[in-house]
Amino acid sequence: EVQLVESGGGLVQPGRSLRLSCVGSGFSFDDYAMHWVRQAPGKGLEWLSGISWNGVTIVYADSVKGRFIISRDNAKNSLYLQMNSLRAEDSAFYYCAKANSVRSPGDYLGQGTLVTVSS
Amino acid sequence: QSVLTQPPSVSAAPGQKVTISCSGSGSNIGSSSVSWYQQLPGAAPKLLIYENTKRPSGIPARFSGSKSVTSATLAITGLQAGDEADYYCGTWDTSLSAGVFGGGTRLTVL
Repeated sequence: EVQLVESGGGLVQPGRSLRLSCVGSGFSFDDYAMHWVRQAPGKGLEWLSGISWNGVTIVYADSVKGRFIISRDNAKNSLYLQMNSLRAEDSAFYYCAKANSVRSPGDYLGQGTLVTVSS
Repeated sequence: QSVLTQPPSVSAAPGQKVTISCSGSGSNIGSSSVSWYQQLPGAAPKLLIYENTKRPSGIPARFSGSKSVTSATLAITGLQAGDEADYYCGTWDTSLSAGVFGGGTRLTVL
């Protein structure tokens, strides 16, 4: 069974940084592209970033380009999202997702981790 | 404003069929496959349909997807109370070089 478990969320002040992690199991992690998707409370889904199976191809949404950095460690079956210069509007549930391609919105999503940006 | 357009809400009685539309353009639905997600109240989104028509294991055949040119449709037959949820479509936009989602459709089972 595919499992994606996110962690690292919490309360952070505006302008600070936070690093999210996602551990995958139940599938060959290094065979798949991985993505981050977020959802502000009561709002819809927003795709943020994707990374190819080997980390060579990386894409970002304009809303986070230059502030967020996606990376992966296939040896640890892990995906990361380094979030810098956080803003109140970054407050959301953050989901990692696996996909067959980096050119995808993400397919299987994890359970999510909540990030709250507030002073 | 979402790149993909979905109706905000749909409703139907138990046992009936409902369809949810997802409208896009040539740079997204017209050139990439569509996925559909179900989000039950208080839960994370769950993949229902991928590559336009395929169902992951464990998803009942009552859920089906189709695609025509620049639009996609999710159909749910034999509606059950447990199908009440928000439904999202998603795909890749080749012009934006980004993943895109619809704004979501809330399904109410009357």
